Amino acid sequence: DTVLTQSPALAVSPGERVSISCRASEGVNSYMHWYQQKPGQQPKLLIYKASNLASGVPARFSGSGSGTDFTLTIDPVEADDTATYFCQQSWNDPPTFGGGTKLELK
Amino acid sequence: EVQLVETGGGLVQPGRSLKLSCVASGFTFNNYWMSWTRQAPGKGLEWVASITNSGGSTYYPDSVKGRFTISRDNAQNTLYLQMNSLRSEDTATYYCTRARLQYWYFDFWGPGTMVTVSS
Repeated sequence: DTVLTQSPALAVSPGERVSISCRASEGVNSYMHWYQQKPGQQPKLLIYKASNLASGVPARFSGSGSGTDFTLTIDPVEADDTATYFCQQSWNDPPTFGGGTKLELK
Repeated sequence: EVQLVETGGGLVQPGRSLKLSCVASGFTFNNYWMSWTRQAPGKGLEWVASITNSGGSTYYPDSVKGRFTISRDNAQNTLYLQMNSLRSEDTATYYCTRARLQYWYFDFWGPGTMVTVSS
């Protein structure tokens, strides 16, 4: 299975820019998607196919990358963005998720 | 508004069975593939099963293949997950998810139902 590696945690101050990375163990073309999960809630789709913003998601969120290296960027970060962010690939079978990056605000 | 509501979770002994249900509303259910994804306590996400919009084809990872069965009733807008031969490692919150076929991502998630496998 394709392993997706994410940094476990990040801490940033409101108003700053943050980049959350996801590295795949093998190429996934541009079939990378990003989700936000707040404590006690279900995941919510943010970005699909590497760089496409999901409906209703603020333009502060953006995605980039292809192949094996992908980035979710939040600029500027707001207090409400405290959450865990997961990447998911769907190019290789089975679809797999990264372990998540917990974003904390200073 | 798209809504997915799961039911059927609970405490079950190892080796026993459990059936989850998910009632969908706010969209044309029979136009979409549907899936189940789970999350063990404090852990990451794992895709568990998918089913085509007609119900004619199903897909599973090796971890549940032969034990879990996904099905749907399009007349009732309901998705199911029959889980047999449950193991402690199946303990998780199970989310009903709407799948977007073209790029196989999950654009809507239910709030989840917790399944605990323990003696």
